[in-house]
Amino acid sequence: QKEVEQDPGPLSVPEGAIVSLNCTYSNSAFQYFMWYRQYSRKGPELLMYTYSSGNKEDGRFTAQVDKSSKYISLFIRDSQPSDSATYLCAMNRGSNYKLTFGKGTLLTVNP
Amino acid sequence: DSGVTQTPKHLITATGQRVTLRCSPRSGDLSVYWYQQSLDQGLQFLIQYYNGEERAKGNILERFSAQQFPDLHSELNLSSLELGDSALYFCASSPRQGESAEAFFGQGTRLTVV
Repeated sequence: QKEVEQDPGPLSVPEGAIVSLNCTYSNSAFQYFMWYRQYSRKGPELLMYTYSSGNKEDGRFTAQVDKSSKYISLFIRDSQPSDSATYLCAMNRGSNYKLTFGKGTLLTVNP
Repeated sequence: DSGVTQTPKHLITATGQRVTLRCSPRSGDLSVYWYQQSLDQGLQFLIQYYNGEERAKGNILERFSAQQFPDLHSELNLSSLELGDSALYFCASSPRQGESAEAFFGQGTRLTVV
């Protein structure tokens, strides 16, 4: 079983939709959880960074962590065509440990 | 623009050859990370350097090596290349030793082995 599982999609939604992206993980030692956005032919960029369980909101983006279920989510409200990208979840055991990434979900937001 | 510069952007080479990928971190960043991204494996951590010293090692093959120079730029050397080494190679940098979550990624080098 992979440490981090992420549905690769592709996911296609109309503009303005609420998007839900998810990852599950198996290593209970993971403490820090991140979401990266990667546009085609570009490097990943950090979107959200959360520690432990709970919700974190930043503009149209909300990150949710449920450590009891080993499940993390990223919600995008009022999705825009510019949100079309691959979204990667990542996590680690602490700030001194390497990141373990999901394989990414390809999202397309149609105008 | 993340401030991390990787060269070259594209590289096509034959099996058995050796290549060097270069990374210039953001100004002031002491940590450099190398990642490999392929369709089947996703983004995999290879190795980290901090201020010239190796700090962490991931799934890096023995045919691959890296170093960080006194001016903090880093090079990833890939030798005896195989078809399966074709991938995107990313460099990331961060200001601190261990906080990889704050790393900023470069645009990557696309390596194609033919």
